[in-house]
Amino acid sequence: NAGVTQTPKFQVLKTGQSMTLQCAQDMNHNSMYWYRQDPGMGLRLIYYSASEGTTDKGEVPNGYNVSRLNKREFSLRLESAAPSQTSVYFCVQGGQGNTGELFFGEGSRLTVL
Amino acid sequence: AQSVTQLGSHVSVSEGALVLLRCNYSSSVPPYLFWYVQYPNQGLQLLLKYTTGATLVKGINGFEAEFKKSETSFHLTKPSAHMSDAAEYFCAVSDKRPGTASKLTFGTGTRLQVTL
Repeated sequence: NAGVTQTPKFQVLKTGQSMTLQCAQDMNHNSMYWYRQDPGMGLRLIYYSASEGTTDKGEVPNGYNVSRLNKREFSLRLESAAPSQTSVYFCVQGGQGNTGELFFGEGSRLTVL
Repeated sequence: AQSVTQLGSHVSVSEGALVLLRCNYSSSVPPYLFWYVQYPNQGLQLLLKYTTGATLVKGINGFEAEFKKSETSFHLTKPSAHMSDAAEYFCAVSDKRPGTASKLTFGTGTRLQVTL
């Protein structure tokens, strides 16, 4: 998982609280992604950024916002957390070219009570 | 639209036995296909990928997969399982539209258990 750093690793929130997951990559690649992983559902794309200054919705964007601050950083914000957002979140960077290969961070485990 | 179906959420094999994890895909364009592995409390790591060319692809740790267009399959195999292979395995397909960020669609995963 070298190259992608995400924080925090663990977080417990109460319903309605807000928080931001931070992510930084050091491989100088253009594309970055946020996925969530839930048991029995695999990984689902929340938002992605093809390049600095652009963001697009993925499969499950509701309840989330993102910011591509610069080429290195791509943050995910929960404005008003809900129990359904309890999940493991992965920041991911795309590889060079357009092969689709992805490089994952170690994940952030979020629990919403 | 693209999708991936992994048959079997749990597979158990004996150490030294053949590992076969099944994956079928659906894609409106020629697909790029991937297998990723996830060890406990870690992110996913690329095991192998098919983009173009040879349909039998070899990956790390002795795994290989064969792209069969007629069967829309990309099954993962390893001739002899090792205890260290115990992990969760994800098949994925990329939409690979040129000029845009490729988005992977993942299957629901197969947990591989290796027993003595």
